[in-house]
Amino acid sequence: DVVMTQSPLSLPVTVGQPASISCRSSQSLLFGDGNTYLNWFQQRPGQSPRRLIYKVSNRDSGVPERFSGSGSGTDFTLRISRVEAEDVGIYYCIQDTHWPRTSGQGTKVEIK
Amino acid sequence: QVQLQESGPGLVKPLETLSLICTVSGGSTSSGAYDWNWIRQSAEKGLEWIGRIYSSGFTHYNPSLKSRVTMSIDTSKNQFSLKLNSVTAADTAVYYCARTTIGEGTDYWGQGSLVTVSS
Repeated sequence: DVVMTQSPLSLPVTVGQPASISCRSSQSLLFGDGNTYLNWFQQRPGQSPRRLIYKVSNRDSGVPERFSGSGSGTDFTLRISRVEAEDVGIYYCIQDTHWPRTSGQGTKVEIK
Repeated sequence: QVQLQESGPGLVKPLETLSLICTVSGGSTSSGAYDWNWIRQSAEKGLEWIGRIYSSGFTHYNPSLKSRVTMSIDTSKNQFSLKLNSVTAADTAVYYCARTTIGEGTDYWGQGSLVTVSS
């Protein structure tokens, strides 16, 4: 299985400040069709995961512009330009390139 | 708006079979544009993909669970299902169904169904 490694696992942030989460995969996530199927999901307490970013850098409809994704190959980053209180939760990177699909351990974002 | 909803027993006895159904609304399970997933989440293992099924009925299972898993799809009811046999306490988890749009990635998830394995 492709191992997805996120860091940090805990991220205390101040409202209005930027935040960044790293995700590294044990194999390249570039698929044969030329796409890289790396997604970022947010999971709030008691809720199911909600997708924020797909194919590395594409923001889903309704996702605030402060969320952005970047990266290629095996190295990816989710950035929040200015954290808001509603951004608390656990963030997962999930790869759809290889079977079985796998996720990182999750990064818990909390407000200082 | 696409919605997925899991249903099934919340308590299963050890060595019995866990059965769940996912009902899809706002999208069609007969479309070849998607595959349909079962995923579980536990504190011990995090998110774990169990399997995926296409509208044709073709399946891919996680090799770690393959010997115990059966998935099926009923496009007339817009549902797909999961059976996991010979369960143990290690199978206690929140079970999610989710959709993957081919060429785009996994997008919509159900709200999740907690299944506890206990006598």
